[in-house]
Amino acid sequence: GAVVSQHPSRVICKSGTSVKIECRSLDFQATTMFWYRQFPKKSLMLMATSNEGSKATYEQGVEKDKFLINHASLTLSTLTVTSAHPEDSSFYICSARGQTFDSPLHFGNGTRLTVT
Amino acid sequence: DAKTTQPNSMESNEEEPVHLPCNHSTISGTDYIHWYRQLPSQGPEYVIHGLTSNVNNRMASLAIAEDRKSSTLILHRATLRDAAVYYCILRDVVTGANNLFFGTGTRLTVIP
Repeated sequence: GAVVSQHPSRVICKSGTSVKIECRSLDFQATTMFWYRQFPKKSLMLMATSNEGSKATYEQGVEKDKFLINHASLTLSTLTVTSAHPEDSSFYICSARGQTFDSPLHFGNGTRLTVT
Repeated sequence: DAKTTQPNSMESNEEEPVHLPCNHSTISGTDYIHWYRQLPSQGPEYVIHGLTSNVNNRMASLAIAEDRKSSTLILHRATLRDAAVYYCILRDVVTGANNLFFGTGTRLTVIP
């Protein structure tokens, strides 16, 4: 089945530094990828949608300058948390959709970010 | 956007069938019904999806009400590995609506 690889699975960084999270579709071309964050015991919240070759679309309340998204190829999207602060600590998850709108979403295994 | 409502939690005994309900009374004609599940500290996993007819795959069955305002995910024999949070989600296949709404989902506990 389709596989989405997310890296790193866990990262600890100091306040003020930037962290890059990669999301790769391993065996299919993902024209659209989605980025979510999830707080403990809570549901997933969509942060942004990235389409290959164009600018990401951010959900209301998500700072685009803080959460930089790049989708440079059909198999790779990256999320960079810039100038991270402790309140950015969360579980970040990416997902990718295949070529058609009714294709199931395939999720990465998430990245646990801890900002100290 | 059409939303879904699910019970917060359910319990099942191991090796018994489980019926997980989902209400989506504002579903539109172009919304597919998707189910995903999430194990602790992992990303969600696709389970099944359908539009109007009941669907079966190796993981589960999806029963869709005739008026499509509700659906039920059926796990035929629950195992301990099925303990997870199950999310019922609507996806518009015309717009490929990106703002998928993950509700609170149903936390399934499987009792050995």
